[in-house]
Amino acid sequence: GDSVTQMEGPVTLSEEAFLTINCTYTATGYPSLFWYVQYPGEGLQLLLKATKADDKGSNKGFEATYRKETTSFHLEKGSVQVSDSAVYFCALRGSTLGRLYFGRGTQLTVWP
Amino acid sequence: DVKVTQSSRYLVKRTGEKVFLECVQDMDHENMFWYRQDPGLGLRLIYFSYDVKMKEKGDIPEGYSVSREKKERFSLILESASTNQTSMYLCASSPSGQGKDTQYFGPGTRLTVL
Repeated sequence: GDSVTQMEGPVTLSEEAFLTINCTYTATGYPSLFWYVQYPGEGLQLLLKATKADDKGSNKGFEATYRKETTSFHLEKGSVQVSDSAVYFCALRGSTLGRLYFGRGTQLTVWP
Repeated sequence: DVKVTQSSRYLVKRTGEKVFLECVQDMDHENMFWYRQDPGLGLRLIYFSYDVKMKEKGDIPEGYSVSREKKERFSLILESASTNQTSMYLCASSPSGQGKDTQYFGPGTRLTVL
């Protein structure tokens, strides 16, 4: 069935460090892929998405490329800020009526 | 602006009580979802609905029921609350249609069952 596996956390970085959070998926067909972010005390919000192979989603300095050959959608940012501290969730849109399958989330903490 | 609201941010209930969690969206979305979020387990889908009066079980429906009498409102019901239902509950909605698959989330309700 459809599933997402993402890198276990927590991840702790200094400001301006490079960030990678790994995400791989299992799905039939050609799913859409998402990264959501949850800031402290808030619900999830969409960070970026990609709908087909080789698409690159980007937002707020974050990027992720849909790699069908490696079934991956890794999140990257070249220089993190304290304000990026949050929980990041990788997700895929399955074949069932628009439902999403989420990874377990990765807690990122950025220190000044 | 897109908006999903949940009736309470924090709720404390006693074991055995009937609990209602309400979710309202103002975007005329067809699909609505209820998740629970627990540390180390991520988001788990409880129920979802793709139309008024329609419902589908998610991955962990046991101990929960739902109601969708109007398009904008999706209620989660705990018939007899238990301590293992202490959790953060998140509601989301999304439109239907090709490429329209982004889910929009409410702020969450942190439920404590004593």
